[in-house]
Amino acid sequence: DAGITQSPRHKVTETGTPVTLRCHQTENHRYMYWYRQDPGHGLRLIHYSYGVKDTDKGEVSDGYSVSRSKTEDFLLTLESATSSQTSVYFCAISEQSGRAIHEQFFGPGTRLTVL
Amino acid sequence: AQSVTQLDSHVSVSEGTPVLLRCNYSSSYSPSLFWYVQHPNKGLQLLLKYTSAATLVKGINGFEAEFKKSETSFHLTKPSAHMSDAAEYFCVGEDAGNMLTFGGGTRLMVKP
Repeated sequence: DAGITQSPRHKVTETGTPVTLRCHQTENHRYMYWYRQDPGHGLRLIHYSYGVKDTDKGEVSDGYSVSRSKTEDFLLTLESATSSQTSVYFCAISEQSGRAIHEQFFGPGTRLTVL
Repeated sequence: AQSVTQLDSHVSVSEGTPVLLRCNYSSSYSPSLFWYVQHPNKGLQLLLKYTSAATLVKGINGFEAEFKKSETSFHLTKPSAHMSDAAEYFCVGEDAGNMLTFGGGTRLMVKP
């Protein structure tokens, strides 16, 4: 397995509280991604990063922010959690060689419940 | 824009019988396509990928998929199901910007 860890693995929080999820990689890959998984939707991209301090929005970015201050860590923050953000969150990484970006490898996931 | 449609949300087979998981894609160009598998409470694992080198792609654990441009399909098959194949499977397309579009997933159940 690619060296990707996510923390915490499970979290229960209350509406309106801030939440930060962490993704840590030991592969030194350039690209990192945050997805959410909901039944019937597969995975949907929230934000991604293409280098330190370089991030961009994905399909479902509203209510989320990210930061990447070093290659190995990519943080996802819910500034004020809502019940609609109850989901399973996956981090992924991929590398680039030349102009080709290789397949993504996924972390184990974080199950977040917002009450 | 690209879309990926998995035609069955649930598939049930008996152990030892063939598996067919169906996927259609919509794209204005020949995309890269993947199948990922997710076992319960686990992350996603890459089964195989198509990148235009060959239309029949072999993956891990005996799975293979065939890219058919005329049918815009990328169905996943396995000749003989094993109990350990029970999982959720995702067909995924990659667009020109290297962003992934996921199908809704197919849950495969394998009966003894």
